[in-house]
Amino acid sequence: NAGVMQNPRHLVRRRGQEARLRCSPMKGHSHVYWYRQLPEEGLKFMVYLQKENIIDESGMPKERFSAEFPKEGPSILRIQQVVRGDSAAYFCASSPTPNQPQHFGDGTRLSIL
Amino acid sequence: EDQVTQSPEALRLQEGESSSLNCSYTVSGLRGLFWYRQDPGKGPEFLFTLYSAGEEKEKERLKATLTKKESFLHITAPKPEDSATYLCAVPEETSGSRLTFGEGTQLTVNP
Repeated sequence: NAGVMQNPRHLVRRRGQEARLRCSPMKGHSHVYWYRQLPEEGLKFMVYLQKENIIDESGMPKERFSAEFPKEGPSILRIQQVVRGDSAAYFCASSPTPNQPQHFGDGTRLSIL
Repeated sequence: EDQVTQSPEALRLQEGESSSLNCSYTVSGLRGLFWYRQDPGKGPEFLFTLYSAGEEKEKERLKATLTKKESFLHITAPKPEDSATYLCAVPEETSGSRLTFGEGTQLTVNP
């Protein structure tokens, strides 16, 4: 009965490189959410996806960031041309429906050199 | 815009010393309020959902209550293993999908 799985747990990139963060939701959950936690700040919503659809991307920066949740495979959060300010913990959550509690993975800690 | 404010920012208790954490919220239409626990290096762990004023939920030494403007997380006779950051969150009004989190209360329980 695996929970939300995120990988990698830690990711180091140099400025200008691309970062790809993966998230496999809990079994039976088709709703996926990404949040970002900057150092010394709270969790902030980024994007909400269902299979093959982006439902709400109001919290995601317009440039360099994209997300997908394909029919097969994990959800991917992609950050192009990373900058120092992208250093943060990125958490994925999933739920069976949008109104039910979201269950979180243990995050990917992204460090930019 | 939804706002969630938690207090205090940090709380130190002695083992067995009961206390309460506060979460006040400003939302147009409440679709529930969630409490989570977060340990260092981990993701938030779901604790409770409260949907209406007057509702209470309990789990071991924790009890969550809800009024029209705030929620309390009561910790009775805490143990060192209750040390963590406690977060509350409210879902966005229309779709219920996007959670707005408070900054959290960092609880330390000393033996």
